[in-house]
Amino acid sequence: QSALTQPRSVSGSPGQSVTISCTGTSSDVGGYNYVSWYQQHPGKAPKLMIYDVSKRPSGVPDRFSGSKSGNTASLTISGLQAEDEADYYCCSYAGSYTSYVFGTGTKVTVL
Amino acid sequence: EVQLVESGGGLVQPGGSLKLSCAASGFTFSGSAMHWVRQASGKGLEWVGRIRSKANSYATAYAASVKGRFTISRDDSKNTAYLQMNSLKTEDTAVYYCTRRYCSSTSCYLGDYWGQGTLVTVSS
Repeated sequence: QSALTQPRSVSGSPGQSVTISCTGTSSDVGGYNYVSWYQQHPGKAPKLMIYDVSKRPSGVPDRFSGSKSGNTASLTISGLQAEDEADYYCCSYAGSYTSYVFGTGTKVTVL
Repeated sequence: EVQLVESGGGLVQPGGSLKLSCAASGFTFSGSAMHWVRQASGKGLEWVGRIRSKANSYATAYAASVKGRFTISRDDSKNTAYLQMNSLKTEDTAVYYCTRRYCSSTSCYLGDYWGQGTLVTVSS
């Protein structure tokens, strides 16, 4: 199972919006509505930001939103803030045996 | 409060073995699938494997990169999951995290809580 493909980096100014793509196949992203997104600051454990493509856990700002079209999922951060600067990883369910596959990761820089 | 605490990491020679533990508290451990995820220094997250609950026959699954070398087990009486790593390679060097797959009444999702991670270094 190959890692899902994400852009290496994206950047934006405070207040702007950025979108991170996550491309897989019909065996993972395209086959299930079980895409999640994680934020990771340096030296810290990942934090769940989005699950089931577009649902936000309690406590996650509504500036974070998720969507999916075909084999590509996306995370959009609106109203970018300094604390959003971090690495972001997508993750998709890939069936009973493979279970889960992560994306390659995207570094978000707030200019 | 949900807590996951990994332990057991350290330095091991190539070809050696190591057993990691993940002690859980604050939730019904016996009903949850537990997963292991690793991250090499400066690299991305990699799903390692999982073990389901007793109700799901303690079924396990592994990433291709560790299949046949790593074994996940659990002791529900101790609220602890384990990752037995054999035939270790230098490329297994990483921080290893445990996390749970949580199911609410409407959905299941991976990784709402994570441990702090434990570092495994495979080197001669």
